[in-house]
Amino acid sequence: AQTVTQSQPEMSVQEAETVTLSCTYDTSESDYYLFWYKQPPSRQMILVIRQEAYKQQNATENRFSVNFQKAAKSFSLKISDSQLGDAAMYFCAYSHPRGVGTASKLTFGTGTRLQVTL
Amino acid sequence: DAGVIQSPRHEVTEMGQEVTLRCKPISGHNSLFWYRQTMMRGLELLIYFNNNVPIDDSGMPEDRFSAKMPNASFSTLKIQPSEPRDSAVYFCASTRGLNNQETQYFGPGTRLLVL
Repeated sequence: AQTVTQSQPEMSVQEAETVTLSCTYDTSESDYYLFWYKQPPSRQMILVIRQEAYKQQNATENRFSVNFQKAAKSFSLKISDSQLGDAAMYFCAYSHPRGVGTASKLTFGTGTRLQVTL
Repeated sequence: DAGVIQSPRHEVTEMGQEVTLRCKPISGHNSLFWYRQTMMRGLELLIYFNNNVPIDDSGMPEDRFSAKMPNASFSTLKIQPSEPRDSAVYFCASTRGLNNQETQYFGPGTRLLVL
């Protein structure tokens, strides 16, 4: 079974600084997807960034980027120029496609609570 | 385009009562997921559907839980009878499972409190 591990329950960063959230996963599959979701106090789950395992290039979305190390099964999230609005729970998630035309479930880590200080 | 819609947003009920949670996926999405979030267990999948057909219900806690998807635009998750340990946030998510488009989009969740 696939597992996702987030070893940092809480992290803190100063506004405008950079922070990296860690995630490791375990799978025997070669084709899969990795995601980072953000959950602010409103509880809404918001997609931050996604990475396809077959792509060697690390995904980037504005201030958010990932460091995807397939051999090490590591998928960290870097937030640059941190803003107060980045304060939230961040969940790393894994999914393995079942095939064309079908979807599969997300397996989530336990989350990292990010605090942003002035 | 409207996102995933869930209702109600909040539900407070007494133990033993029936609870029905509703979800409308994003138009054009053919896969729908029900997740539950608790402090103790985190985010866990309850059940998901592809093209209205249940694919994996191994996460459904027990017979008190049931889910249906009568058409592509509507799903329900029912708990009967409800118990205090069912208190959680229940999320519905949908995705377009074509060409392995695996991004799931979540609804705002239903916060359930069973007294």
